[in-house]
Amino acid sequence: GEDVEQSLFLSVREGDSSVINCTYTDSSSTYLYWYKQEPGAGLQLLTYIFSNMDMKQDQRLTVLLNKKDKHLSLRIADTQTGDSAIYFCAPKRYALNFGKGTSLLVTP
Amino acid sequence: DTAVSQTPKYLVTQMGNDKSIKCEQNLGHDTMYWYKQDSKKFLKIMFSYNNKELIINETVPNRFSPKSPDKAHLNLHINSLELGDSAVYFCASSQDMGLAGGEETQYFGPGTRLLVL
Repeated sequence: GEDVEQSLFLSVREGDSSVINCTYTDSSSTYLYWYKQEPGAGLQLLTYIFSNMDMKQDQRLTVLLNKKDKHLSLRIADTQTGDSAIYFCAPKRYALNFGKGTSLLVTP
Repeated sequence: DTAVSQTPKYLVTQMGNDKSIKCEQNLGHDTMYWYKQDSKKFLKIMFSYNNKELIINETVPNRFSPKSPDKAHLNLHINSLELGDSAVYFCASSQDMGLAGGEETQYFGPGTRLLVL
């Protein structure tokens, strides 16, 4: 977790875009994942990006990867209250390395 | 059908007791994991098994012993429980370990909330 940094909290209003940022240290990471954890539940895969890509879009989700700066971001468009959860960044070389998670709070 | 299931969902026990948490996956995956999530939501891998063989064993007290009777099951046995063991324990599985750097989506169970009094 200490090799992967995320800000711990983010609060946005419903309908706005959310951007969750992640920085990591292992430049050999091949796949970089975003997982979502809803209250009282396990983690579920949201999306992932291969390291030779710099952007991936999947409906309301956009992942941006800056390999040079080792920076990954997840943008959620038109954020809804159901998006309130903890979001984990997890770069992978040989094994997933989870960040400490960003708690997203969406207010009406 | 639940892909990765864990039992029990909640476990409250006294310090010093021995307890087990069970995990089963019906995805046909080769690799299974145990993670510990503390009260601050930090998630750390404890163990990984591939085809019933231990692959990853992070710095975990030897009071924790994983057991994989077959590749669909990975149970976690904890001896002499301590207050600091209170956490949520997640089991996960993936098709393989992707040790060659390949894609490896992990599927998580719902978690077992352990409280040691």
